[in-house]
Amino acid sequence: SAVISQKPSRDICQRGTSLTIQCQVDSQVTMMFWYRQQPGQSLTLIATANQGSEATYESGFVIDKFPISRPNLTFSTLTVSNMSPEDSSIYLCSAAVEGSGEQYFGPGTRLTVT
Amino acid sequence: KQEVTQIPAALSVPEGENLVLNCSFTDSAIYNLQWFRQDPGKGLTSLLLIQSSQREQTSGRLNASLDKSSGRSTLYIAASQPGDSATYLCAVNTGGFKTIFGAGTRLFVKA
Repeated sequence: SAVISQKPSRDICQRGTSLTIQCQVDSQVTMMFWYRQQPGQSLTLIATANQGSEATYESGFVIDKFPISRPNLTFSTLTVSNMSPEDSSIYLCSAAVEGSGEQYFGPGTRLTVT
Repeated sequence: KQEVTQIPAALSVPEGENLVLNCSFTDSAIYNLQWFRQDPGKGLTSLLLIQSSQREQTSGRLNASLDKSSGRSTLYIAASQPGDSATYLCAVNTGGFKTIFGAGTRLFVKA
């Protein structure tokens, strides 16, 4: 299994600013992902964080808005850039180990943009 | 395109009742299916993982079944408790960790 921590747990930000969310996994994992959960909705995959290379973004999400880094096997960051109130969501980091295919999730970062 | 549907959207039951949550998916070509629990404002806790070759998995009072051919999974909760109150999410992995989530079932267990 994997234990995932995220920082910050929550934040209130002004429109037009950026926030970087950190994700730390307690063991080396193959895959890391970033999800968004808008109020009252289920999870939507933003991107797969690839170690040492550019992230793979899902349809509707772009690197300029959601730049992602993954410098090593256990750490990743997601930046929400030029924020607007529509970006108010819970952002969740996820990790998986190839083989079992089981996914683990962090506690999430609750972002409110005013 | 894979779609995952969960029924019911919300459920309220008295404590002690056995209950079933349903998940259906449109494409039977899945790698695995995972059930999660989410408490309000929190992250997801993995409950059960069923590989595509398996029919069911059990953990304590929870039992999850998988019928790939019909595109269905059920999560059975025995002897429900107020602490079971949460949103339960079904997630289908279509391979390469392309995971599609259902909208969830909000469960409330009354003491």
